[in-house]
Amino acid sequence: EPEVTQTPSHQVTQMGQEVILRCVPISNHLYFYWYRQILGQKVEFLVSFYNNEISEKSEIFDDQFSVERPDGSNFTLKIRSTKLEDSAMYFCASTLDGSPEKLFFGSGTQLSVL
Amino acid sequence: KQEVTQIPAALSVPEGENLVLNCSFTDSAIYNLQWFRQDPGKGLTSLLLIQSSQREQTSGRLNASLDKSSGRSTLYIAASQPGDSATYLCAVSNTGNQFYFGTGTSLTVIP
Repeated sequence: EPEVTQTPSHQVTQMGQEVILRCVPISNHLYFYWYRQILGQKVEFLVSFYNNEISEKSEIFDDQFSVERPDGSNFTLKIRSTKLEDSAMYFCASTLDGSPEKLFFGSGTQLSVL
Repeated sequence: KQEVTQIPAALSVPEGENLVLNCSFTDSAIYNLQWFRQDPGKGLTSLLLIQSSQREQTSGRLNASLDKSSGRSTLYIAASQPGDSATYLCAVSNTGNQFYFGTGTSLTVIP
């Protein structure tokens, strides 16, 4: 079965550093998403991306965050200057046609900001 | 802002029991509601999606219902199995793709 791949599975960084979280969505999918889950809290929507532009973003997704599809396979989330409160599990997801019931999630990247 | 609540937070049942997980949401103007399963170290897996115009959806031993006017959904699991042990998340969307999640119900099915 096709799957969404996220690397690395765990990333540790110092406060103030830039991090890039990488995702390889399912190859023929067109809609891409980032969600995050702070330990013990709810999964939260960050951003959706279609046709090389952001289609929706939450209030969490401020100027410190950016997304990019640099080539035909990768979808990245960049945090410019990490804060302690950015520590969370970050999930990438994709769908072929935007259908939410066909939303496939990756297994996540655990980001720890020290 | 949409708030989603799930009760109970944790549930432990013997194998074979039928069980119900509850979800409530504050804004009834939803586009759809989805139930997910989350396993440790893995991503979320979509179980059932109910459009706002629907009352229920079924997949195998799972049945999800939606009462939009009262802001409630239930996930019914029949004849539970140890493999059903996981965290079950309810999520609602007001626009179609931005989901608001509940904190989940951690289910343990005891063999």
